[in-house]
Amino acid sequence: DAGITQSPRHKVTETGTPVTLRCHQTENHRYMYWYRQDPGHGLRLIHYSYGVKDTDKGEVSDGYSVSRSKTEDFLLTLESATSSQTSVYFCAISEGNRGQGRNSPLHFGNGTRLTVT
Amino acid sequence: AQSVTQLDSQVPVFEEAPVELRCNYSSSVSVYLFWYVQYPNQGLQLLLKYLSGSTLVKGINGFEAEFNKSQTSFHLRKPSVHISDTAEYFCAVGRDDKIIFGKGTRLHILP
Repeated sequence: DAGITQSPRHKVTETGTPVTLRCHQTENHRYMYWYRQDPGHGLRLIHYSYGVKDTDKGEVSDGYSVSRSKTEDFLLTLESATSSQTSVYFCAISEGNRGQGRNSPLHFGNGTRLTVT
Repeated sequence: AQSVTQLDSQVPVFEEAPVELRCNYSSSVSVYLFWYVQYPNQGLQLLLKYLSGSTLVKGINGFEAEFNKSQTSFHLRKPSVHISDTAEYFCAVGRDDKIIFGKGTRLHILP
């Protein structure tokens, strides 16, 4: 299994509070991704990154920000959590070179279940 | 714009019967296609991929998929399912610099 660790695994927070989820990898892969999974919607891409300080938006980026200050860590921050952000969040990595994000298989972490009350 | 359409949200099938999970994608010059499986309470893992070459792709656990360019489809098949195949299956397409997923199909194996 690819060395991907997501933390925390579960979190309950209140509306309006900031939340940061962490993804740590030991594979030295350049591509890292954050997806959210919701019933009836499958997985939707939030943000992704090719390398340190190189990030871009996905299809559902509103209300989320990311940072990547080290190759191995990709942080997802909800600046002010809302109930609509209750979801399971998955981090994924791939080993492609620049421009190969579309044809490099993803390896997933085990997810973070976030509940916003 | 919808890139991947999984036509069935749930598919019930009897154990040892064949199954086909359908996937259609939006046409593009370059096509990179994937199937992933998610077992209960786990992350996703790659079943198989089509990047180029033979249109019939074989994956893990006895699954295979056929890339059909004229019908823009990439249906997943297994000739005989087992109770352990109970899971959610996601079709995905590579687009720009990322991978876009369909909404998933839940496979229910009936005894």
